[in-house]
Amino acid sequence: GNSVTQMEGPVTLSEEAFLTINCTYTATGYPSLFWYVQYPGEGLQLLLKATKADDKGSNKGFEATYRKETTSFHLEKGSVQVSDSAVYFCALTIFNQAGTALIFGKGTTLSVSS
Amino acid sequence: DVKVTQSSRYLVKRTGEKVFLECVQDMDHENMFWYRQDPGLGLRLIYFSYDVKMKEKGDIPEGYSVSREKKERFSLILESASTNQTSMYLCASRDRGTQAFFGQGTRLTVV
Repeated sequence: GNSVTQMEGPVTLSEEAFLTINCTYTATGYPSLFWYVQYPGEGLQLLLKATKADDKGSNKGFEATYRKETTSFHLEKGSVQVSDSAVYFCALTIFNQAGTALIFGKGTTLSVSS
Repeated sequence: DVKVTQSSRYLVKRTGEKVFLECVQDMDHENMFWYRQDPGLGLRLIYFSYDVKMKEKGDIPEGYSVSREKKERFSLILESASTNQTSMYLCASRDRGTQAFFGQGTRLTVV
């Protein structure tokens, strides 16, 4: 079956620190991979995505590379800000299968202090 | 702007009540989803629908049902609400090959 495992939080960093949130997956077929972010009191919004092996998704200084050989999609940012404090979810889906849902990891809470 | 709208941000219901959570999307998307979000458990899929009148069970369908009579609307129904259904409920929609868009969430409290 399809599943996503991401590192447990909370992750607590000082402003300008380097961030890595690990995500690995198992999938039947060829998944597309996503990172979603949930700011306090809001719904989820897409942060970045990658649809095939070796693709790099990037947005707002965040990056993640689709690594098929290690089945990973780790999220990184070189210098975090207080405004990055949120819950981050790794997810996958397989688009060529009708009715395939998004499968999420459990989420990682990031807290950045000034 | 794309929009997924959930009918309520906050709801308080009594045990045993029948509860309807409504979700509407304006993007003509085929797929719609209901998740619940609980601390330490992340997002768990309750049901999803890939077309009008079509539905599939997710990971935790017990105690829930859904209705999709029109493409833009996907309703989640709690047949007889219980306290263990107190949670944040998130609706999402997407078309094949595109990202999912989420509503703001409904925080349901069953007392």
